[in-house]
Amino acid sequence: DAGVIQSPRHEVTEMGQEVTLRCKPISGHNSLFWYRQTMMRGLELLIYFNNNVPIDDSGMPEDRFSAKMPNASFSTLKIQPSEPRDSAVYFCASSLQLGGEAFFGQGTRLTVV
Amino acid sequence: GQQVMQIPQYQHVQEGEDFTTYCNSSTTLSNIQWYKQRPGGHPVFLIQLVKSGEVKKQKRLTFQFGEAKKNSSLHITATQTTDVGTYFCAELIVGANNLFFGTGTRLTVIP
Repeated sequence: DAGVIQSPRHEVTEMGQEVTLRCKPISGHNSLFWYRQTMMRGLELLIYFNNNVPIDDSGMPEDRFSAKMPNASFSTLKIQPSEPRDSAVYFCASSLQLGGEAFFGQGTRLTVV
Repeated sequence: GQQVMQIPQYQHVQEGEDFTTYCNSSTTLSNIQWYKQRPGGHPVFLIQLVKSGEVKKQKRLTFQFGEAKKNSSLHITATQTTDVGTYFCAELIVGANNLFFGTGTRLTVIP
């Protein structure tokens, strides 16, 4: 199994641009999570899905952030417009069921200049 | 959101010394998980504790769940340079569906 696959691995963009991060969870996993990691705030849960349905998006910082899961094998996290304070490493993780072992992707390092 | 206190925030040890990190919750937990993140890497699952007072071992690592299921610890005996990284606890609160990650303890091992 290839594990959780995220793309791109690195993204550098200018302030105001739209950014789309992509995630392919492990096949058969029912739950998918988006996390953001920074030195200041640590590992923050942004949103999670169960069976492709968003369950809790209370961690999404503001309306500029949106996430979708159109099917069981794909999810996106979009930031529009991006701001320098969005610079962070964004992780996608999946698990067989809610509360179970989380398998993380390699992350996307986003830099907004 | 849920505040997961983890101490210490940083720990520097000489190779061969022991290391312990603690995780404390204000609420009763369904289970607690521990993860390790190497520098530049992603969090990797180590173990899950479910039962009150549970103790599990993985080679030099010992994981413990408190009797009241509100705290947990990870102890590493005789640290090695391969132990370098940040150790996170992740809590599943009773009645909740998602994990709350602690602030992490960054371990540096001096050869």
